[in-house]
Amino acid sequence: GENVEQHPSTLSVQEGDSAVIKCTYSDSASNYFPWYKQELGKRPQLIIDIRSNVGEKKDQRIAVTLNKTAKHFSLHITETQPEDSAVYFCAAIKAAGNKLTFGGGTRVLVKP
Amino acid sequence: DSGVTQTPKHLITATGQRVTLRCSPRSGDLSVYWYQQSLDQGLQFLIQYYNGEERAKGNILERFSAQQFPDLHSELNLSSLELGDSALYFCASTPGVAGGVYNEQFFGPGTRLTVL
Repeated sequence: GENVEQHPSTLSVQEGDSAVIKCTYSDSASNYFPWYKQELGKRPQLIIDIRSNVGEKKDQRIAVTLNKTAKHFSLHITETQPEDSAVYFCAAIKAAGNKLTFGGGTRVLVKP
Repeated sequence: DSGVTQTPKHLITATGQRVTLRCSPRSGDLSVYWYQQSLDQGLQFLIQYYNGEERAKGNILERFSAQQFPDLHSELNLSSLELGDSALYFCASTPGVAGGVYNEQFFGPGTRLTVL
């Protein structure tokens, strides 16, 4: 089955700096890659996603890049703010299989 | 608010007991997924139902079972509870067109289960 590895497990950045989280996946058939943000005690919420037919997607301060050849994708957060502090999960899925496999999560702390 | 509801919000019980967690998907969504999140851990996929039928299974223990009813709500049954079953249990839903383009999973608020 699919295996998703996520690094780093914790990330501490100064407010205003950039944060980068990287994920690798094992199943080359995976074609949808969402990123979820989870604040303490709350539900995961989708912040951005990318499909396999594009290499990069941006939404304001957040961007995701995908390298299908290398089977890895990354989340980039620019101009970090304290409210970006949370746990971020990457995931991968084959559309036909409909089974979402999550990475282990990255705890991001933005220091004011 | 994602439109996915889960009850109860909190549940405290003793080892050896049995509990039922309930999930109502967003209106129109056919797929329901169950996840377990232990303290400071990731999201472990348990099981998926699509339009009443089991579609995918993850690392779900034999003591756990689930079903999806004709009105599309789902229940997760946990029996012979152990201390290690204490966790947040999330359900999520998608329109879940079988074999079609995958869509965002919308998560419910979760049920926090504490086994004493």
